Amino acid sequence: AQSVSQHNHHVILSEAASLELGCNYSYGGTVNLFWYVQYPGQHLQLLLKYFSGDPLVKGIKGFEAEFIKSKFSFNLRKPSVQWSDTAEYFCAVLPLMRFGAGTRLTVKP
Amino acid sequence: DTAVSQTPKYLVTQMGNDKSIKCEQNLGHDTMYWYKQDSKKFLKIMFSYNNKELIINETVPNRFSPKSPDKAHLNLHINSLELGDSAVYFCASSQGTYNTGELFFGEGSRLTVL
Repeated sequence: AQSVSQHNHHVILSEAASLELGCNYSYGGTVNLFWYVQYPGQHLQLLLKYFSGDPLVKGIKGFEAEFIKSKFSFNLRKPSVQWSDTAEYFCAVLPLMRFGAGTRLTVKP
Repeated sequence: DTAVSQTPKYLVTQMGNDKSIKCEQNLGHDTMYWYKQDSKKFLKIMFSYNNKELIINETVPNRFSPKSPDKAHLNLHINSLELGDSAVYFCASSQGTYNTGELFFGEGSRLTVL
């Protein structure tokens, strides 16, 4: 079945720690990949996206993600998190029109 | 100017009532969506319209009826509200055909059914 999986449900880090959030999907065709962030009480905002080309994409606020086609993965990374990165992170895959279940990131000051 | 705006932001109502949520986008996008986010933050697509035409209709009770009077508006009407309908409903839009472009989300409408 076509699906999007985010393996980490809740991640707790201290400030300055490195972050990697996993996202895997099951779909054999061409995909467009997205990471969205939802700060507490707010709507979803785009962090970064991959359509084609360089599989390493850079987004806002120092986030980046790498598309590994052979692994059907699109993991999100940030070398040094800040308290303000505390939020819910969602991976999305088109054309599946599906979001992952989300990963709650808590950054301790 | 808010790109995707929804009203109302909060809605508290009794079981059995009928309610509507309105959505408007000023981005000139062709496609609009309704998503439901439950208490566990899980996001599920409900409907998608492309140029006023229904494209996606996921498994949603027929108490939910979307209406798109024009491509800038997509409203959601819910009949006979149930406790399980309590959620945050997000409207979104994207350019071009559905299922390919970046989604722009509204701020959400939190529905509480008592």
